Amino acid sequence: QSALTQPPSASGSPGQSVTISCTGTSSDVGGYNFVSWYQQHPGKAPKLMIYEVSKRPSGVPDRFSGSKSGNTASLTVSGLQAEDEADYYCSSYAGSNNFVFGTGTKVTVL
Amino acid sequence: EIQLVESGGGLIQPGGSLRLSCAASGFTFSSYWMHWVRQAPGKGLVWVSRIDSDGSSTSYADSVKGRFTISRDNAKNTLYLQMNSLRAEDTAVYYCARGSWGFGNWGQGTLVTVSS
Repeated sequence: QSALTQPPSASGSPGQSVTISCTGTSSDVGGYNFVSWYQQHPGKAPKLMIYEVSKRPSGVPDRFSGSKSGNTASLTVSGLQAEDEADYYCSSYAGSNNFVFGTGTKVTVL
Repeated sequence: EIQLVESGGGLIQPGGSLRLSCAASGFTFSSYWMHWVRQAPGKGLVWVSRIDSDGSSTSYADSVKGRFTISRDNAKNTLYLQMNSLRAEDTAVYYCARGSWGFGNWGQGTLVTVSS
């Protein structure tokens, strides 16, 4: 049950795009289409942004999109806004009813 | 409105026990898998445990297996986490979360501090 690997930080100017990677193995990210992404502002609970690799819950702006290739999933935030500055975590089903989170990425809006 | 409200956290000595609760409302509790996720101070999210909708199946992270027990009372719309043999490294905010293949709704969390 090793954590999925994310870059510690990412940044972009308002209006630009930023992409965060989430690398696992064939036993988690690569083996199932159950990758999800969460946004967490300081002192707040996480919020689901993407589920099942690329689906957006209602209320989440379409600036947020997800994809997967092999053992790596990605979250892209287009048209960066100040309120997008937060920590982002990926998560994946890992088989046998187990789950794993990524190491987290701090997104800074310059 | 879906609400998840955790309680039961606090300061506990190493080796001690604590039971967390998560009161659910605004949805049919008995239809959903539920999870516990924790976050140590300044650290990332870590999945702890899962229970299926009727409580017949549970799973745990290796770090808590044999020490923590997840359970639920569907009549009371409440999720529990019994934590035994607590260690300093169990210090964290514990969140309950609703969902099957992802965590769609989260509570506000309850802080557990394990220290002498």
